[in-house]
Amino acid sequence: AQSVTQLGSHVSVSEGALVLLRCNYSSSVPPYLFWYVQYPNQGLQLLLKYTSAATLVKGINGFEAEFKKSETSFHLTKPSAHMSDAAEYFCAVSVAAGYSTLTFGKGTMLLVSP
Amino acid sequence: KAGVTQTPRYLIKTRGQQVTLSCSPISGHRSVSWYQQTPGQGLQFLFEYFSETQRNKGNFPGRFSGRQFSNSRSEMNVSTLELGDSALYLCASSSGLAGAPDTQYFGPGTRLTVL
Repeated sequence: AQSVTQLGSHVSVSEGALVLLRCNYSSSVPPYLFWYVQYPNQGLQLLLKYTSAATLVKGINGFEAEFKKSETSFHLTKPSAHMSDAAEYFCAVSVAAGYSTLTFGKGTMLLVSP
Repeated sequence: KAGVTQTPRYLIKTRGQQVTLSCSPISGHRSVSWYQQTPGQGLQFLFEYFSETQRNKGNFPGRFSGRQFSNSRSEMNVSTLELGDSALYLCASSSGLAGAPDTQYFGPGTRLTVL
C-alpha cells in the first residue's frame, strides 16, 4: 500500500518569499506523484505531476517539484509567493498505470501575508 | 473541452434519508472516481467506475454505492444518511486507459450537509 505524508498542516510566508511545501511518500513500486491545489469552495486543480520522466517537474503558476527517490520526497516550491497562492495544497500518489486511484496527504494550508 | 461537472453543488438532508449525486466527466474520459473530503479524515477514495463497471473500491460501508452509464456519466448514492456523511464529495475523471500514467481532473464538488 502507498501513503503520503505532508509535513506541516499550515505554512505561512510573506509575499515575495520562497514557498516550500513538503511531501514524502511511501510506495513499494515506482510511484506517480501529483500536487493539487484547492481554493475555498472549489474542487482540486492539478498543479503538476511526476510520471518517471524528468525528476524536476514544472507546473502552472510558477510552481515546480523535484522527485528524489533516495529521500522518497516530492517537495513543492515557488521562488516568490503571491497573495493569490493562498490555498490548500495536496500531494498525492498513485502506483498503477491506468488505475488512477489517488492516495492523498492531509494537505497543507498556505497562508501568504503582505 | 468542458471540465468535470457535478450536480447539485449543495444539498441539505436529514438523518435516515438517502441522496444521489451526479457527475459528468470530461468528454472522452471513461473513468470516473469519487472521493469524500472531510476536515477530520481528509480526502478518501470511495470507488472508481470504468466502462460501466466498478473497477476499484475504497473502504466505505455498503450504504455508499455508485453506477456509471453508457455515456460515462456517473451517480453515487448514499442511503440511510448519518451525521458523519456530511462532507464535500468530489468526482474526478480520467481516460482510464492502461499503460500510461493517468491524470485525474476534478469537479467542483457537492457539499452535503446532514442534519
